[in-house]
Amino acid sequence: GDSVTQMEGPVTLSEEAFLTINCTYTATGYPSLFWYVQYPGEGLQLLLKATKADDKGSNKGFEATYRKETTSFHLEKGSVQVSDSAVYFCALTSNTGGFKTIFGAGTRLFVKA
Amino acid sequence: GAVVSQHPSWVICKSGTSVKIECRSLDFQATTMFWYRQFPKQSLMLMATSNEGSKATYEQGVEKDKFLINHASLTLSTLTVTSAHPEDSSFYICSARDEGETQYFGPGTRLLVL
Repeated sequence: GDSVTQMEGPVTLSEEAFLTINCTYTATGYPSLFWYVQYPGEGLQLLLKATKADDKGSNKGFEATYRKETTSFHLEKGSVQVSDSAVYFCALTSNTGGFKTIFGAGTRLFVKA
Repeated sequence: GAVVSQHPSWVICKSGTSVKIECRSLDFQATTMFWYRQFPKQSLMLMATSNEGSKATYEQGVEKDKFLINHASLTLSTLTVTSAHPEDSSFYICSARDEGETQYFGPGTRLLVL
């Protein structure tokens, strides 16, 4: 079945450091790919998405490119801030199987001042 | 952007009682809503898919008699945890899908069963 694998955390960075959180997927069909962010005690917020190969999603300085050849959707940010500390979930929604969303395990990010 | 609300945000109840959680799409119609459960420091686990006007589709291992889902309108789905026990304590999150593929998530409901 469809699955999402993302790098284990926690990831601890200093402010202004470069961030990469790896995400790979397996899916039948042509899934849409998402990154969600969850701040402590809150629900999920859509961070960015890409719906087809080579699309780049971007928001708030974060970006990720849909790479079909490597089945990856890595999240990057050039300069993280303390306020970026949260849990980041990579996810896919496939047009097969009723548009269910499959989530990765989540990666917790800590950014130190 | 699209907003999904959940009510209540926190609930504490005694073991054996039932708890109802509401999920509303505030500014769009959602033919499909999803209910997830999240344990501390873990990912979201899909419990069921709720389609307006029809029975919910439950994921394997989720007791449909335990977690009653009703999707009576295009903007409201409810999850009732019946005869709650301490092991049902968790963070319950709903999402609503618009006409596209994007899901919008509610802020979650934290349930504590004593």
